[in-house]
Amino acid sequence: DGGITQSPKYLFRKEGQNVTLSCEQNLNHDAMYWYRQDPGQGLRLIYYSQIVNDFQKGDIAEGYSVSREKKESFPLTVTSAQKNPTAFYLCASNHFTEGTGQGNTEAFFGQGTRLTVV
Amino acid sequence: SQQGEEDPQALSIQEGENATMNCSYKTSINNLQWYRQNSGRGLVHLILIRSNEREKHSGRLRVTLDTSKKSSSLLITASRAADTASYFCATGLTFGIGTKLQVIP
Repeated sequence: DGGITQSPKYLFRKEGQNVTLSCEQNLNHDAMYWYRQDPGQGLRLIYYSQIVNDFQKGDIAEGYSVSREKKESFPLTVTSAQKNPTAFYLCASNHFTEGTGQGNTEAFFGQGTRLTVV
Repeated sequence: SQQGEEDPQALSIQEGENATMNCSYKTSINNLQWYRQNSGRGLVHLILIRSNEREKHSGRLRVTLDTSKKSSSLLITASRAADTASYFCATGLTFGIGTKLQVIP
């Protein structure tokens, strides 16, 4: 089955630690995205990537880092510089059409990773 | 980035009633999308409406788009308890804060 998979589902981090959230897709999508969702809030864009080895900051990139070494994978690292990392993290992917903007085709989402600082 | 804002933020209706959610945005768009999120899960795409379309249907869903008012509405007809979820509109890469719909059996 084609889809987008996030792991782990739940993650606990100690103060001062870096943690990496996994996102893998087998949909042959060009573009991948990371969003953060806080309780009762909408989604805020952290980073996105349109092509392998290239990525751009979203609205709240500080304290996060990403890589895009393979088309299928877009891991997100939450660094110790992120002061309030407890949140629900969502990864998404879609086809990217040049000239029409990144968000202009249906996006597929993973089931999310809930990160808690302990 | 473009901003979608849903209204109302919460809606509670009886099963069988219709539910209407509204979305406003600030800049010009190529299209607008609606998504659904069950509690603690990822988002699922419901429908995409292009800027040159005024209305689109998919099953019990009806979406309208008024580009002159920069607004869209999502109507769910004959609601079911299983429709209980949060609904988000999205323009470009930006999502609104969502409408939390509760359908009471």
